[in-house]
Amino acid sequence: AQSVTQLDSQVPVFEEAPVELRCNYSSSVSVYLFWYVQYPNQGLQLLLKYLSGSTLVESINGFEAEFNKSQTSFHLRKPSVHISDTAEYFCAVSEPGGSQGNLIFGKGTKLSVKP
Amino acid sequence: GAGVSQSPSNKVTEKGKDVELRCDPISGHTALYWYRQSLGQGLEFLIYFQGNSAPDKSGLPSDRFSAERTGGSVSTLTIQRTQQEDSAVYLCASSLDRGSYNEQFFGPGTRLTVL
Repeated sequence: AQSVTQLDSQVPVFEEAPVELRCNYSSSVSVYLFWYVQYPNQGLQLLLKYLSGSTLVESINGFEAEFNKSQTSFHLRKPSVHISDTAEYFCAVSEPGGSQGNLIFGKGTKLSVKP
Repeated sequence: GAGVSQSPSNKVTEKGKDVELRCDPISGHTALYWYRQSLGQGLEFLIYFQGNSAPDKSGLPSDRFSAERTGGSVSTLTIQRTQQEDSAVYLCASSLDRGSYNEQFFGPGTRLTVL
């Protein structure tokens, strides 16, 4: 069965500092990988996804994530964070060709950016 | 265009009462998902609808939970004889079809509090 582990429940950082939010998954098959973001009092939004091809994927607001098959990881990084990046970030997987397409989520990491 | 909408946004009920939560997916989306977001537990898949096919109920936590989708559009999640452990945010998502590569668009959720 698939599972997702987000090792850090909370990550406090100062503005303009780099950040890495860790995500590891376990699956016996190949997977699609996603990062969703939930800003305060808002719904979940897709941040970026890996389906195939280049293992490095980027979002429009400067985040990037790299799929590492050998380490079964999909860590999210940003070289310089802003106050507006304060949110909860969820890593998720789904199974290509799966009958449902439902997402398996990690427990989330709360990123708190301080001035 | 309009996103996924859910109602009510907040629901407070007494233990033992039944509740109904509503989801309006994005027009044209054939796949619809319900998830539950509990404090410290992340997001948990509940049920999945694809077009007019029988729903996949494998994620429902007990037989007190049921859901239907009328006309391939609006969905209602019903919780009978609510318990305090049912308190959570219930999220609905829709996607173009069941392919696991498809982005799921989430509604704002219904926060259920069982007293």
